[in-house]
Amino acid sequence: DIQMTQSPFALSGFIGDRVTITCRASQTIGDSLSWYKQKPGHPPELLIYGASTLKSGVPSRFSGRGSGTEFILTIDSLQPDDVATYFCQQGLRAPRTFGQGTKVELK
Amino acid sequence: HLQESGPGLLKPSEILSLTCTVSGGSMTSFYWSWVRQSAEKGLEWIGRIGDDGNTVFNPSLRSRVAMSLDTSRMQFSLSMFPLVAADTAVYFCAREVGPVIPPAHFDLWGQGIAVSVAS
Repeated sequence: DIQMTQSPFALSGFIGDRVTITCRASQTIGDSLSWYKQKPGHPPELLIYGASTLKSGVPSRFSGRGSGTEFILTIDSLQPDDVATYFCQQGLRAPRTFGQGTKVELK
Repeated sequence: HLQESGPGLLKPSEILSLTCTVSGGSMTSFYWSWVRQSAEKGLEWIGRIGDDGNTVFNPSLRSRVAMSLDTSRMQFSLSMFPLVAADTAVYFCAREVGPVIPPAHFDLWGQGIAVSVAS
């Protein structure tokens, strides 16, 4: 299985801060990487696919980059609605695998 | 829109049967997946079924799961047997787009159904 490792496990920032989350794959996955946002009691919600393509309707303060084994999710100006847990997921090989999640909070 | 249905409380060694009802679109040209989430294992992909009925399962669960598709009823289903306590989780159905162009991703998720396995 391809292991997905996120860092940090949790982070906090002030409104307006830029925050970044890193996701590393145990083997190269090209650009087959997606990012999801999940709030408690809700399903994951797609933000980005293909490592850098923003899903229609997702605020432009979210961006993704990377390829191969290292990927980064950036929130350019942290907003209250961004408080959630963020997951990466590889879609190159079965079984599909997810990172363990990064919890984002406000200071 | 996806909606899971099924029992929420089961005993070890029983069978879990969940159904996902698809509304507002077609079932063709997509893969239909089940993903579960627990505090212990996080998000875990169980497997998927294509619109041709072909299935791919997570090797860790392959011996205990089955999936089926009924396009006339716009539903797909998951069966898991025999259940163990570690199967306690929230189960989501999800639609996978891809897998090459665009790169595979889950663009639509059900709300999830909590399943507890306890004696």
